[in-house]
Amino acid sequence: LAKTTQPISMDSYEGQEVNITCSHNNIATNDYITWYQQFPSQGPRFIIQGYKTKVTNEVASLFIPADRKSSTLSLPRVSLSDTAVYYCLVGGAFYNQGGKLIFGQGTELSVKP
Amino acid sequence: DARVTQTPRHKVTEMGQEVTMRCQPILGHNTVFWYRQTMMQGLELLAYFRNRAPLDDSGMPKDRFSAEMPDATLATLKIQPSEPRDSAVYFCASGLVTFLGRGLGETQYFGPGTRLLVL
Repeated sequence: LAKTTQPISMDSYEGQEVNITCSHNNIATNDYITWYQQFPSQGPRFIIQGYKTKVTNEVASLFIPADRKSSTLSLPRVSLSDTAVYYCLVGGAFYNQGGKLIFGQGTELSVKP
Repeated sequence: DARVTQTPRHKVTEMGQEVTMRCQPILGHNTVFWYRQTMMQGLELLAYFRNRAPLDDSGMPKDRFSAEMPDATLATLKIQPSEPRDSAVYFCASGLVTFLGRGLGETQYFGPGTRLLVL
């Protein structure tokens, strides 16, 4: 069961790049890294998923070093609407080899004007 | 744009009453999750179904909670009898287990949640 550690909160200003790092020291060989975003009064929403190196989509980038013991979610040029809680999850399919995806406390990102 | 739907969106009830929450997963998804979210505990997994079979309900208080999938288009979560400490937002999520190249992966798609208040 891979445990993740993220900062509880972060502050930023509009237009800045925000990097949120997640530590997962005991990640397993077949585990993927997935990030979710949750706005108040809504369910979490999938942002990005990766295995190693770099993944980019229209919303964010995910950087994963070679040892895969951490990952960094990068949000380019944030706006007020990016204020949300961001969760890092590590694992594969829920019951793949006994794996279990657990949402931690997440990182509360506050973007200020 | 396929979405997970949940009903009701809001529910206020009195202690001791039965509460039933319903979820329609995205068509074609083969997994369903039930979560409970509170300020104190965050997101807690209550139950997990794959291909309609319950694989894990270890997060549910067994004496009062029950989860079922009568068919592939409907998942239900029942609380009987309800208690004030059950007040929370209950989320349903559906997902699809797929092979991502390094093993099986699974992305969860969440519904809007049911906000439950037990008086």
